[in-house]
Amino acid sequence: AQTVTQSQPEMSVQEAETVTLSCTYDTSESDYYLFWYKQPPSRQMILVIRQEAYKQQNATENRFSVNFQKAAKSFSLKISDSQLGDAAMYFCAYRRDTGTASKLTFGTGTRLQVTL
Amino acid sequence: DTGVSQDPRHKITKRGQNVTFRCDPISEHNRLYWYRQTLGQGPEFLTYFQNEAQLEKSRLLSDRFSAERPKGSFSTLEIQRTEQGDSAMYLCASSVGQTGGDEQYFGPGTRLTVT
Repeated sequence: AQTVTQSQPEMSVQEAETVTLSCTYDTSESDYYLFWYKQPPSRQMILVIRQEAYKQQNATENRFSVNFQKAAKSFSLKISDSQLGDAAMYFCAYRRDTGTASKLTFGTGTRLQVTL
Repeated sequence: DTGVSQDPRHKITKRGQNVTFRCDPISEHNRLYWYRQTLGQGPEFLTYFQNEAQLEKSRLLSDRFSAERPKGSFSTLEIQRTEQGDSAMYLCASSVGQTGGDEQYFGPGTRLTVT
């Protein structure tokens, strides 16, 4: 079974600074996707960034980028120029890419606090 | 399109009662998913549909749980004889379903409290 581990229950960053959230996963599959989702307080979960396992190039979306290390099974999220609106729970998620297997397996989340 | 909607947003019920939740996905999304999220945890997969067909169910989905998507549009999740351990946020998500990496769009969730 696939597992996703987020070892940082809480993180704090000052506005305009950079923070990195860690995620490791375990799988025997070679084809899969990795995601970071953001869940603001009392709001819907939204996708932040996605990485295809077959791509060596790290995904980037504006201020968000990932460091994908396939051999180490590591998938960290870097948030640059942090903003107050980045405060939320961040979930790392794994998705196997085989046939109809479409469920997401989530980690336990990291609560990010952004301070002035 | 207003996104994925769920009804009700909150439900308080007494142990032993039955409850039913509804999810309306984004129109033309073929896949619909149900997840359960307890406090301090990430969402856990319950089941998913491709159109009206239920393709996968988690072991978390006991016999007391049943989900339907009768016409491939909205879906319902029913919990019979609720237990206190069923208290959680129930999340619905939908996706186009064309590729393995397609984005799942989540609804606001239904928070169930069993007293």
